[in-house]
Amino acid sequence: GAVVSQHPSWVICKSGTSVKIECRSLDFQATTMFWYRQFPKQSLMLMATSNEGSKATYEQGVEKDKFLINHASLTLSTLTVTSAHPEDSSFYICSARDPGQGKAFFGQGTRLTVV
Amino acid sequence: QQPVQSPQAVILREGEDAVINCSSSKALYSVHWYRQKHGEAPVFLMILLKGGEQKGHDKISASFNEKKQQSSLYLTASQLSYSGTYFCGTGLQGAQKLVFGQGTRLTINP
Repeated sequence: GAVVSQHPSWVICKSGTSVKIECRSLDFQATTMFWYRQFPKQSLMLMATSNEGSKATYEQGVEKDKFLINHASLTLSTLTVTSAHPEDSSFYICSARDPGQGKAFFGQGTRLTVV
Repeated sequence: QQPVQSPQAVILREGEDAVINCSSSKALYSVHWYRQKHGEAPVFLMILLKGGEQKGHDKISASFNEKKQQSSLYLTASQLSYSGTYFCGTGLQGAQKLVFGQGTRLTINP
């Protein structure tokens, strides 16, 4: 079964609205989770590192106020795309690493379409 | 800094072999290999740690050349199910995050 669960799988929203994506680690506690963005036929681009109980660490060029990350518990991180625009349409994937083995497990991904 | 994968794409007939390379300009601690099918999340294949590891499972194996900061993924006697995009993710010592290469698209034809 899934080790990391992401919800929803897809969402269509109107420009200007906000969308929240959830990422849960099911089999282990994750003090750190990662959010990636992927455009069609392109690589996984790391957006930010979500840290439990503290501020997220954003990669260069990623707008903090646009992509709000909250990691309120050891099993849940959320990404909120605020005031979404069509250019925010993409495949967003979260990941968490198993503390013991170091493997990174990915959520199922969320396809966001902003119309 | 993003690792560089080669080739960008490869087309094989079922039963043929493939090699995918992943190179970094940084001193790596770990290399992770994933396969992603269209519209799905990446699936873990294997992880190699510094120290010159080689490992494999079924007909997929990989090596990590620490001196060259390079890893190679070997697909032997490819099956149709091997089709997809392969990504290497590299990790630095003391860092949790992984940075992924641009991907290698593998197509296996009957």
